[in-house]
Amino acid sequence: EVLLVQSGAEVKKPGESLRISCKGSGYSFTNYWISWVRQTPGKGLEWMGRIDPSDSYTSYSPSFRGHVTFSADTSISTTYLQLSSLKASDSGIYYCARAGGNGSPFDYWGQGTQVTVSS
Amino acid sequence: QLVLTQSPSASASLGASVKLTCTLSSGHSSYDIAWHQQKPEKGPRYLMRLNGEGTHTKGDGIPDRFSGSSSGAERYLTISSLQSEDEADYYCQTWGTGIVVFGGGTKLTVL
Repeated sequence: EVLLVQSGAEVKKPGESLRISCKGSGYSFTNYWISWVRQTPGKGLEWMGRIDPSDSYTSYSPSFRGHVTFSADTSISTTYLQLSSLKASDSGIYYCARAGGNGSPFDYWGQGTQVTVSS
Repeated sequence: QLVLTQSPSASASLGASVKLTCTLSSGHSSYDIAWHQQKPEKGPRYLMRLNGEGTHTKGDGIPDRFSGSSSGAERYLTISSLQSEDEADYYCQTWGTGIVVFGGGTKLTVL
């Protein structure tokens, strides 16, 4: 069974940094890209970018470039999303999702990580 | 600009059928899309990939009640024999080189 399991909810203060993990199991970890998606009531689902765990090649959405960093540790089949200089507007639910490469839809999603940024 | 447009809400009666629509922006009518279902407090679930010819490939365990079809720039998700558990938000997704786009979602109410 394919599973993407994310780390738990986070509460942060403005200006702090945050790292969320996404552990894949039940498939060959390096054969699939992982994308990160943010969901907020105001903007719906927003694609943040993706990482290819096989070589850690990343592609960032212009809306998030410079504010987020993706990384992967193939030894533990885990990808990470790091957000820096958090603002209240970074609050939302963050999802990781798997895709079979360029031209493929997201076929499995993580359960989501709720992030709250508040002073 | 690659954009997907969905109606914000839809409703249908228990046991009936409903057809949800996702419209691709001008110049992108040949693009494949994917449909995802999201229930309250849950992550999205992949339903199917759908191309411009109406050929769809469903995800693991997706019931036969879910089907897809296409006409021009429109991509449809039909749910037949509606059940209460089908009440959810439905999102379409598409992609290009270095870009992934989601529709705004349709909230389906089962009456």
